[in-house]
Amino acid sequence: AQSVTQLGSHVSVSEGALVLLRCNYSSSVPPYLFWYVQYPNQGLQLLLKYTTGATLVKGINGFEAEFKKSETSFHLTKPSAHMSDAAEYFCAVSEGAGGFKTIFGAGTRLFVKA
Amino acid sequence: DAGVIQSPRHEVTEMGQEVTLRCKPISGHDYLFWYRQTMMRGLELLIYFNNNVPIDDSGMPEDRFSAKMPNASFSTLKIQPSEPRDSAVYFCASTPRTRNNEQFFGPGTRLTVL
Repeated sequence: AQSVTQLGSHVSVSEGALVLLRCNYSSSVPPYLFWYVQYPNQGLQLLLKYTTGATLVKGINGFEAEFKKSETSFHLTKPSAHMSDAAEYFCAVSEGAGGFKTIFGAGTRLFVKA
Repeated sequence: DAGVIQSPRHEVTEMGQEVTLRCKPISGHDYLFWYRQTMMRGLELLIYFNNNVPIDDSGMPEDRFSAKMPNASFSTLKIQPSEPRDSAVYFCASTPRTRNNEQFFGPGTRLTVL
């Protein structure tokens, strides 16, 4: 069985500060890992994904995440927050090659202060 | 491409009524997913299809819920009879086999059952 834990339901940062959203996962098989972003009254859209290969993955809007197998983590970072980054972020895990069922974390709402 | 299309965007109904939510996936996508999002339970996978065939419906909460996919371009999620606790945002998502389970979400249907 797979599971995802996002640490912190709310994170607040100042504009220009580092963004760090934490995600830990559990999977019995090599996982595929995802970060999605949801803006108010919209569906989720993909920020970035890890499948195989390079463990540091870069996504849209300057976000990146690093897959750390030993720590079962996939934390999302951005060096400098922008007001437009304010949204809800979801970490997700699926079973890797051949597995399409995806489990989503509870979400972390990011607030950006001017 | 038009993206995943869901209708209606908002639905208000009274307890006991039948509700039908509709989804048109992106053309060429093999997999279709139905999710429910609530504040209390987050984003839950209800059911998913591969090539119009239901693969996993273990997330469907009760027999009141049913989903069909009569062809590759259309799916429905039906609730009969509806109850106030069914109030939520329902998302449809699709993905092609070739995208490593990156899911493309529709804008959602906000359901309110009075």
